Amino acid sequence: KAGVTQTPRYLIKTRGQQVTLSCSPISGHRSVSWYQQTPGQGLQFLFEYFSETQRNKGNFPGRFSGRQFSNSRSEMNVSTLELGDSALYLCASSWTGTSGTNNEQFFGPGTRLTVL
Amino acid sequence: GIQVEQSPPDLILQEGANSTLRCNFSDSVNNLQWFHQNPWGQLINLFYIPSGTKQNGRLSATTVATERYSLLYISSSQTTDSGVYFCAVEESGWGNTPLVFGKGTRLSVIA
Repeated sequence: KAGVTQTPRYLIKTRGQQVTLSCSPISGHRSVSWYQQTPGQGLQFLFEYFSETQRNKGNFPGRFSGRQFSNSRSEMNVSTLELGDSALYLCASSWTGTSGTNNEQFFGPGTRLTVL
Repeated sequence: GIQVEQSPPDLILQEGANSTLRCNFSDSVNNLQWFHQNPWGQLINLFYIPSGTKQNGRLSATTVATERYSLLYISSSQTTDSGVYFCAVEESGWGNTPLVFGKGTRLSVIA
C-alpha cells in the first residue's frame, strides 16, 4: 500500500506570494491533518479534514487555509507569505472508524517551504 | 490543552548501548504514538501505544495511562538510530482532537 505523498517536496517563495501544497493520503484513509514544524515552535497542528469538511483547526491566522476533495486528497494554501512561514509542512492521514474517531496517524515526507 | 514533556532533550550514546526515553503527559489520552524523525524530516511510525507494552525488534515501548507516562526503550543502539524521537498524544474527549507533540529527544549514536 502506498504511503502518504506530498508535493512539492521543496519550495522557495518570496514574501507576499501565496503557495499551495498538496497531500494524497493512504488509500482508504479519509482523515487528513496538516502540521507545521519549525525549530522554534516544534510541531504544531494546523487543521484536519474529514469527508471534505474541516473538523479541527489549530491556532493559526486566516492566511492558512485548506480543503479536501472527494477522493480525500487535501491541499493547504498560505496567502501573503511571511518570513516566519518558512517551515516543514507535514501531512498525516488516518483511518477513521465507524464511530468517527481516528486511529494511528501516518505522515508524508513533508514540503520544505522557504520564504525569502 | 494537554501538555507533553519529553526527557532527556538530548542524548549521546556509544554504539551498542541501551537507552530509555520518557514522555509525560498532563491529561487522559485516547492515542499515543512514538515517531522517529529522520534527517530528511520524515516522521517514521514506531509505536501506536495508548496503553500497554509493545516490542518491535530492538525497540519496545510501554505506556502507563493511569500514571500518564510512556517509555521508549532502545537496545543495542546503532548509528542509524540517530535522529529525533517524538512522542505525540491525542487528548481524550468528545470527538477527535489533534495530535499534540512533545519537543522531542535528539539522539546521537556514535560508532
